[in-house]
Formats: sequence, C-alpha cells, structure tokens
Amino acid sequence: ETGVTQSPTHLIKTRGQQVTLRCSSQSGHNTVSWYQQALGQGPQFIFQYYREEENGRGNFPPRFSGLQFPNYSSELNVNALELDDSALYLCASSLGGGSNYGYTFGSGTRLTVV
Amino acid sequence: GQQLNQSPQSMFIQEGEDVSMNCTSSSIFNTWLWYKQDPGEGPVLLIALYKAGELTSNGRLTAQFGITRKDSFLNISASIPSDVGIYFCAGQKAAGSARQLTFGSGTQLTVLP
Repeated sequence: ETGVTQSPTHLIKTRGQQVTLRCSSQSGHNTVSWYQQALGQGPQFIFQYYREEENGRGNFPPRFSGLQFPNYSSELNVNALELDDSALYLCASSLGGGSNYGYTFGSGTRLTVV
Repeated sequence: GQQLNQSPQSMFIQEGEDVSMNCTSSSIFNTWLWYKQDPGEGPVLLIALYKAGELTSNGRLTAQFGITRKDSFLNISASIPSDVGIYFCAGQKAAGSARQLTFGSGTQLTVLP
C-alpha cells in the first residue's frame, strides 16, 4: 500500500509568479484535502476535492485553486504569489468526502516566496 | 483562520518522565484527533476519539475526549528519545461536507537523556 506522495519537496518562487504543487493519494483513497502550514503553526485547511469537484473550502482567496483527476491525484495552484504564501503545503487523502477516520498526510512541499 | 488553543507550547522533560498536553476550543467538535509531526514530515495520526468522555490508549499514549466536547488531552507515559517532535490536536465537526480538520498550534516536545 503506497502512502501519500507530494512533489516537489522544495520550491523557491518569486513574488507574483504562479506555482503548481502535486499530490498522489494513498491507494484506495478517493478524497484529497490541502492544508497550509506556516512556520510554528498548525495546518490550516485550504480546500478538499472529492469525485473531481471542490467539496469544501477554508478561508483562502480565489488565487488558491485546485484540481482532482480521475485517478484521484490532485494539484494545488497558487497565482500571484505573495511573501506570506511561504509555508509547508500538505496534502491529505481519505476515503470518502468528510471522512470520520482522520486523514493520511504526505510529507509536504516547502514553498519559499522571495 | 481558527485554531484550537493548545498548551503548553513547548516542553523539556527527562527521559522516563510522563507528559501531558491539552487542547481547548470555544466550539464543539464531534471528533478529536492527535497527530505527531517530525521535522520534514507530515503529521502522523496517533489517536482518534469519537465520543464525549472516551478514553483511548495506544501503547504509552492515552487521550481523552472531554465531556463538553470542547477539549481533549494527551498523556505520554515513560517518555523515550523518539517521542521528540511536535504534537498537534485536531478537531473535526459533523457539519459541512468536507468535515475539515481544525488544528491546534502544536506542542514542541524535547526529551533530555
């Protein structure tokens, strides 16, 4: 059974640029959630994708967008990067939208915006 | 965004000592979860709690779901060096399709030999 894999592991971008982060869900999981973790903080919910549609969204602006593909993998896109977007971006997969059994997290992508 | 109130923020303990940390919220959660995060890794689930008053153990770890559904605590007994890391509580509500997790700000645990 494969876990959640994220790519790339580290990324440096310039303010104003766009970035795409990728996530492959754990085998058998059909739901992907994205979280942003700033340094010294707990993860903050960005959004969730279930059956290729957005299934809930946290308090993040529209320049944060996502996709889910038929194989349940997912992308997080961030446009017009700001310095405050520097964070660890975590992907978590689960079985079913609104899982009651917690989530399996990937190791994250560390994004630095300069 | 909302975060749970988790304390203490950091702890330095001797190997073999017991540890206790807790999490409180102004709102009710239907599920409480405790995660551990090591450097460069994502959070790993330690214990999940589903009922108010529930007390659950996982090896040396014990966690309880508060009866008000607004708090939870985690105890670690007889700490060992590999317990070092950041511990997060997370709450999950029944309402909402995504049932996303709301995290605390973490407790950084250091175990001294």
